[in-house]
Amino acid sequence: AQSVTQPDIHITVSEGASLELRCNYSYGATPYLFWYVQSPGQGLQLLLKYFSGDTLVQGIKGFEAEFKRSQSSFNLRKPSVHWSDAAEYFCAVVGNDMRFGAGTRLTVKP
Amino acid sequence: GAVVSQHPSRVICKSGTSVKIECRSLDFQATTMFWYRQFPKQSLMLMATSNEGSKATYEQGVEKDKFLINHASLTLSTLTVTSAHPEDSSFYICSARDDSVGYNEQFFGPGTRLTVL
Repeated sequence: AQSVTQPDIHITVSEGASLELRCNYSYGATPYLFWYVQSPGQGLQLLLKYFSGDTLVQGIKGFEAEFKRSQSSFNLRKPSVHWSDAAEYFCAVVGNDMRFGAGTRLTVKP
Repeated sequence: GAVVSQHPSRVICKSGTSVKIECRSLDFQATTMFWYRQFPKQSLMLMATSNEGSKATYEQGVEKDKFLINHASLTLSTLTVTSAHPEDSSFYICSARDDSVGYNEQFFGPGTRLTVL
């Protein structure tokens, strides 16, 4: 079965700084990859997804992610973080069903 | 498009009672639905997968007699937590997928917060 690893449990960045959240996946075939964001007590919001084609994917809220097959990675990036980006971020991979990483909690310092 | 609703959004019940959570796909046919459980500060864990008209497939460690899943139509799945106990308190999230489309995207509901007293 597919699996996802998010190595960073918690990341703190200053507002305006750049951000990169790491995601590594394990899947035997070409994966479908997703990034979601979740605010406390809320559901999931889809940031972006990769199915095929261009390996650099643009999402909402200024986020982007790059699929690197050789590294089995799908890291999420944002050039300038805003205080409202503070939340929990989940990477997910789809095989027959969707499996989530453990999540990375983002704290934004003023 | 691709909206999934859940009802109720929040429920509090007494220990020993049963609680039913509904998951509806509002604008597409959900041939497959999924139920996830999320404990505080943890990730989403897949509980079960259900196909319309078939019995649900449960993940290892999930008690099928405790978490009853019904997917009787292409727009509705229900999760019933039977004889609920405080340890069943959690955030339950459903998702739905239209398998007639060529890619495996799931659309998530907003979640149901269950508190068992």
